[in-house]
Amino acid sequence: AQKITQTQPGMFVQEKEAVTLDCTYDTSDQSYGLFWYKQPSSGEMIFLIYQGSYDEQNATEGRYSLNFQKARKSANLVISASQLGDSAMYFCAMREGWGGSNYKLTFGKGTLLTVNP
Amino acid sequence: GAVVSQHPSRVICKSGTSVKIECRSLDFQATTMFWYRQFPKQSLMLMATSNEGSKATYEQGVEKDKFLINHASLTLSTLTVTSAHPEDSSFYICSASEEGGGAFFGQGTRLTVV
Repeated sequence: AQKITQTQPGMFVQEKEAVTLDCTYDTSDQSYGLFWYKQPSSGEMIFLIYQGSYDEQNATEGRYSLNFQKARKSANLVISASQLGDSAMYFCAMREGWGGSNYKLTFGKGTLLTVNP
Repeated sequence: GAVVSQHPSRVICKSGTSVKIECRSLDFQATTMFWYRQFPKQSLMLMATSNEGSKATYEQGVEKDKFLINHASLTLSTLTVTSAHPEDSSFYICSASEEGGGAFFGQGTRLTVV
């Protein structure tokens, strides 16, 4: 079974509008972390936002917010006020377990976001 | 965030030769580094976990003799693709983590074997 599921292969959004990218996860660990990365065509992985399983508040970083619904095991990324530069592939990832430096991540298949002018 | 530098960003090599890719943590000590592979339009797949001073742990299906990993210091891990063939052409990217910190990625290396 997939541990990270991103059901939207592609999404389109108008510039200046908000968009939600879906991510559901599967784990039996109580301690885990959820990440979102942006990958432009250059290939680099740009860290966007992180949510720990024990964090009670939804994470926010500028125009990015993570809608964390623990009971539903979902961690959707919301991008507000989309910009043309937001066009890229977006990956949801999970780290299972806690402590130490073991940040081995499992990635979803990604969502290709296109922002239209 | 912390900086991870990966070199080279692009490499073209002849079939049968070996290629070395470096991953450096520039401003922190990385006790663990990870090597991922990404085929076009696909996700990142973990190849191996590299721990400083010990042998790498390879994921199932990854040939350890083809993909040699060395993590000789707290700031450098190398991935050597030995006897490269066209099917090894891919995007390779490393990440590094520090104690209590996050996971930071290098810029990636696009390998083309001709």
